[in-house]
Amino acid sequence: ETGVTQTPRHLVMGMTNKKSLKCEQHLGHNAMYWYKQSAKKPLELMFVYNFKEQTENNSVPSRFSPECPNSSHLFLHLHTLQPEDSALYLCASSPQGLENTIYFGEGSWLTVV
Amino acid sequence: GEDVEQSLFLSVREGDSSVINCTYTDSSSTYLYWYKQEPGAGLQLLTYIFSNMDMKQDQRLTVLLNKKDKHLSLRIADTQTGDSAIYFCAEVSGGYQKVTFGIGTKLQVIP
Repeated sequence: ETGVTQTPRHLVMGMTNKKSLKCEQHLGHNAMYWYKQSAKKPLELMFVYNFKEQTENNSVPSRFSPECPNSSHLFLHLHTLQPEDSALYLCASSPQGLENTIYFGEGSWLTVV
Repeated sequence: GEDVEQSLFLSVREGDSSVINCTYTDSSSTYLYWYKQEPGAGLQLLTYIFSNMDMKQDQRLTVLLNKKDKHLSLRIADTQTGDSAIYFCAEVSGGYQKVTFGIGTKLQVIP
């Protein structure tokens, strides 16, 4: 238990579906992140939120839409995805400040068919 | 730009020591981390080292940092089958939220 909870753990969706991934952190952190992990590729940072404000969008296609209603919750809305978007999506959080230790959730395995 | 490199695979026998290596390019790195990812799970923070340190020991784990060569290593003593996982090296630089991960080293422990 890392204090960062992601749901669902597994998701299979068609290319025309709309679905959402949810992340909740119980650590009192102010920053939350979405990362994408694909096979044999480095972890890719997708989005960063600080105090609910988006501070980084790492050239992510608009079919991925993040939402951060408060510092504890983060969503990733998915719409008209492609099969190459199939991956493990990791949510993470961290406190503000120099010691930026990032704590990860267990991830959501996404398969686009 | 920043780059973190690791070898892809390491195989060791149970009871031996494992050494996982990592090189990075950004000399302004402030912190360096090791994460462990077991199959089907997220990344678990194992340990980290400040850039002004050379070594950090935590039970079976020893982290060595050579700033001159920008080389980081993780030594696992008395490796167990439960240590089989992918190990990620990561550096923090250029601002406290700029974290760069390596591709991960898959450690296989042979009983």
